[in-house]
Amino acid sequence: AQKVTQAQTEISVVEKEDVTLDCVYETRDTTYYLFWYKQPPSGELVFLIRRNSFDEQNEISGRYSWNFQKSTSSFNFTITASQVVDSAVYFCALRIDQTGANNLFFGTGTRLTVIP
Amino acid sequence: NAGVTQTPKFQVLKTGQSMTLQCAQDMNHEYMSWYRQDPGMGLRLIHYSVGAGITDQGEVPNGYNVSRSTTEDFPLRLLSAAPSQTSVYFCASTQGWAGGTDTQYFGPGTRLTVL
Repeated sequence: AQKVTQAQTEISVVEKEDVTLDCVYETRDTTYYLFWYKQPPSGELVFLIRRNSFDEQNEISGRYSWNFQKSTSSFNFTITASQVVDSAVYFCALRIDQTGANNLFFGTGTRLTVIP
Repeated sequence: NAGVTQTPKFQVLKTGQSMTLQCAQDMNHEYMSWYRQDPGMGLRLIHYSVGAGITDQGEVPNGYNVSRSTTEDFPLRLLSAAPSQTSVYFCASTQGWAGGTDTQYFGPGTRLTVL
């Protein structure tokens, strides 16, 4: 069975602080894909990043960075120098490589509040 | 491209009423899915489709029907609304499942309240 755990329900930081959102996943499949989505207060879901299980390289995109570690089944997301606009709910999601299926298992989300 | 569109944005139903949530995409994506989002539970898959004429159940299909007569449209039908179906519903589409084509793009959501 597949499972995604985001143990941090809510996090508050002061603007310009760095913050890391944790994501731990479970799957027996050797081929799988991990995603992060952002849900701002307006409610839409915004795709942030996709990573496959064969690529453990960390990725940086501006103030965002992701650390993928298969040894600990984690795919953590760090925001550097946080800004008020980063306030949102962030979801980590997992897709396993099943032919004919293309569906995501979501974690319960982490609500990030950046205080000005 | 409008991407994935959903109508209505908000809806209030009485218990027992039926209705259809509309979803359309203009990206020629084969895969479409419906999720519901409930507080503290993330998003859960209701139904999905891998192409026109093909649908299958997800994690929480009871009380919902879907059909996929065209590539563009994937409506979700509530047969007899219940208060437990109060939720935010998201439709998503994706080009495929291989390689890097599996990123799902979500519609803006429909907030449904069943009284």
